[in-house]
Amino acid sequence: DADVTQTPRNRITKTGKRIMLECSQTKGHDRMYWYRQDPGLGLRLIYYSFDVKDINKGEISDGYSVSRQAQAKFSLSLESAIPNQTALYFCATSDAGEVQPQHFGDGTRLSIL
Amino acid sequence: KQEVTQIPAALSVPEGENLVLNCSFTDSAIYNLQWFRQDPGKGLTSLLLIQSSQREQTSGRLNASLDKSSGRSTLYIAASQPGDSATYLCAAKGNNTGTASKLTFGTGTRLQVTL
Repeated sequence: DADVTQTPRNRITKTGKRIMLECSQTKGHDRMYWYRQDPGLGLRLIYYSFDVKDINKGEISDGYSVSRQAQAKFSLSLESAIPNQTALYFCATSDAGEVQPQHFGDGTRLSIL
Repeated sequence: KQEVTQIPAALSVPEGENLVLNCSFTDSAIYNLQWFRQDPGKGLTSLLLIQSSQREQTSGRLNASLDKSSGRSTLYIAASQPGDSATYLCAAKGNNTGTASKLTFGTGTRLQVTL
């Protein structure tokens, strides 16, 4: 979805480095999400936010932190990257309300050596 | 804890064939079920979303059904085309205290439509 933009698209870095992945959206949605995708495991939720002052842990939040700087921006940080955080990371957005669909960015492929 | 399973993991069919992709979930307390398409190197494109009160949704050659009581959803693709080749993911949104607002994904079915 071109309205959900992730940067960078690809990143290779070394163990122990701090990394930030950024997500911005022009859909005007209140809710934003970060997922990671690993082969054979499907997508798993890392963190989610329902508005600028709201941050919630997902299924696999250990080793990650997030910041919701504005309604349109939601960044994911790896404070000290480790190789098993190598994965494809997706940002998603949705309108408020449980019946709303989620819309995904094109992903960031992160490799940690 | 919600678990979502998709069978088969991979499927190859000749062009023009009708096909069904299966998705099963263990917890029937869901708000909705969403089907996505993922192309290599790309994000997820939402195809269909079925609310818990609905039985099916249609979009063009795609038809998705939902049977909450049996914990199953199917995605029917009519008259398949090579451009349908992609990985198809289903995801259930829970409405229990522990699963509210969260999408639980299956691992996907990789579809190849051959000429």
